[in-house]
Amino acid sequence: GAVVSQHPSWVICKSGTSVKIECRSLDFQATTMFWYRQFPKQSLMLMATSNEGSKATYEQGVEKDKFLINHASLTLSTLTVTSAHPEDSSFYICSARDVVNGGWYTEAFFGQGTRLTVV
Amino acid sequence: KQEVTQIPAALSVPEGENLVLNCSFTDSAIYNLQWFRQDPGKGLTSLLLIQSSQREQTSGRLNASLDKSSGRSTLYIAASQPGDSATYLCAVRTGTASKLTFGTGTRLQVTL
Repeated sequence: GAVVSQHPSWVICKSGTSVKIECRSLDFQATTMFWYRQFPKQSLMLMATSNEGSKATYEQGVEKDKFLINHASLTLSTLTVTSAHPEDSSFYICSARDVVNGGWYTEAFFGQGTRLTVV
Repeated sequence: KQEVTQIPAALSVPEGENLVLNCSFTDSAIYNLQWFRQDPGKGLTSLLLIQSSQREQTSGRLNASLDKSSGRSTLYIAASQPGDSATYLCAVRTGTASKLTFGTGTRLQVTL
């Protein structure tokens, strides 16, 4: 299957600083990527849909100024957690689909996830 | 609003046993359903994808079925192994935005 790479795998940062997480599609072009958040022992909650060359679409309740998303190329989307606080500590996962080869309803592939801890 | 539920929340079985994981969804107007595996602290690995027009999909020891009209899917694992221990998530794709809505997950432990 297609490969989605996420970096870093884990990060610890001080409260008030910003953290950038990268999501790359390694062997396909992804016009759309998705960012999820997962709390311990809970399921994934969609945060936003990242669209290449345009603004991201955020889910209700997600602060767009806090979670900045940039999708500057067909293989890279970034999520920046700005002015991070301990309550932002969570597991963040990105996803992409190979729409070009598989169509709009093809299977989704996920990155390895990023464990963010804000101290 | 689509809601996805998985039963049971946790399951422990001895090695070699066959088992069934259940997934139910409230809105039957789905495009497809996907089963994933998640190991602790890791991302998701796609196991099976069933399109709305399909009834089942098979991959090795895994078989997933879909009954769209009743809003149910099952994941059957044959001859379970300790390496199958993980959390299994189902997700359905609905709406024009083609978003995935995830279930609550089933945490599986296969013991020796």
